[in-house]
Amino acid sequence: QKEVEQNSGPLSVPEGAIASLNCTYSDRGSQSFFWYRQYSGKSPELIMSIYSNGDKEDGRFTAQLNKASQYVSLLIRDSQPSDSATYLCAVVDTSGSRLTFGEGTQLTVNP
Amino acid sequence: DVKVTQSSRYLVKRTGEKVFLECVQDMDHENMFWYRQDPGLGLRLIYFSYDVKMKEKGDIPEGYSVSREKKERFSLILESASTNQTSMYLCASLTHGGNQPQHFGDGTRLSIL
Repeated sequence: QKEVEQNSGPLSVPEGAIASLNCTYSDRGSQSFFWYRQYSGKSPELIMSIYSNGDKEDGRFTAQLNKASQYVSLLIRDSQPSDSATYLCAVVDTSGSRLTFGEGTQLTVNP
Repeated sequence: DVKVTQSSRYLVKRTGEKVFLECVQDMDHENMFWYRQDPGLGLRLIYFSYDVKMKEKGDIPEGYSVSREKKERFSLILESASTNQTSMYLCASLTHGGNQPQHFGDGTRLSIL
């Protein structure tokens, strides 16, 4: 089992729709979770961090964390073509020193 | 604002050369990381360091070594470059405890001919 798994892509949604990106992790002791956005040819850019169970909202982005189910998700409301990118889920391990990434989900928002 | 600086955006080297990739961070972070990223394979951890002169192997350390003589600088070394090391290399730093996000440099696109 991979340490961090993301839903397979690519994901395509129409402009204005909600895009839902999912991630599961295997280290039950993990405490910190991040979502990064990566445009083609660029380095990953942090868009959300979440540390507690529940929802965290920032503009059009909502991160959801369920530690019991070892599940973290990212919702993008009112999707825009500029949201088209690869989204990476990242989890800090129990030691707090290592960040493990999922393989990423490629999102395309169609005008 | 955290700044992670990689010495080169693009680099072209020849097979068999010794290649140095440099990374500097300005936030006094304890942890630094080197990843490579290839299409369809995601970010793969090569090496990381949690303190000066300390290093740990990641998932794909073969063919690489690292050096951390100062807290702010983490170097990746390709001892004898090969064509299968052509990739995008990303450096990142993280404060210990993991309650802050990892910050990335702009990346170095390395081509080995």
